[in-house]
Amino acid sequence: QSVLTQPPSVSAAPGQKVTISCSGSSSNIGDNYISWYRQLPGTAPKLLISGNNERPSGIPDRFSASKSGTSATLGITGLQTGDEATYYCGTWDSSTNTAVFGGGTHLTVL
Amino acid sequence: EVQLVESGGGLVQPGGSLRLSCAASGFTFTGYWMSWVRQAPGKGLEWVASVNKDGSQKNYVDSVKGRFTISRDNSNKSLYLHLDNLRTDDTAVYFCARDLADYGPFGSYYHFGLDVWGQGTTVTVSS
Repeated sequence: QSVLTQPPSVSAAPGQKVTISCSGSSSNIGDNYISWYRQLPGTAPKLLISGNNERPSGIPDRFSASKSGTSATLGITGLQTGDEATYYCGTWDSSTNTAVFGGGTHLTVL
Repeated sequence: EVQLVESGGGLVQPGGSLRLSCAASGFTFTGYWMSWVRQAPGKGLEWVASVNKDGSQKNYVDSVKGRFTISRDNSNKSLYLHLDNLRTDDTAVYFCARDLADYGPFGSYYHFGLDVWGQGTTVTVSS
């Protein structure tokens, strides 16, 4: 049972847009910055978004994120087959002094 | 090139110990907090521990408190995780990661995310 709640799976067609939600509480998302990661099978996670909505160098602007209250959303536009992966949200939890992740959302590009 | 390379994983019996290492290169190691994150087979990510820039502050997830110890050697640009009293549910790939965390100008802690990850090292706890 993950502290942050994500849908197990989402799907969309190539070229379309998809959003992935991440729900938490006042002690984690509500009080801290959120980050998003992409993980391909058998590889390490890769940072897509840090500090709520900042894209690291090399991450295309097809990826965007927002946060409102105790929830956050990752958006991906212009979907490509290479975007098929599992996406995780993460943040700090001020009540436990630990970093926490969502359970992950598997994106299928049909 | 900014890089993290883990080593030290392996097969260990329940109750046993292991030390994981993470060698950093390509960035100023002393300028960053560092974290360990693990992923059990077929499961999601679980943050394990973090350490501040000089090694004086350490945070742990409850499930490893008292059993795991995070440490760093800034002179050798290395991060470590000492695993004691291992259990079968500690079986996982262990990643080290550069942590974009620190204290702000007014003393509040912030954590922006984990921006560089190693390739992982596998720990299997089994009899």
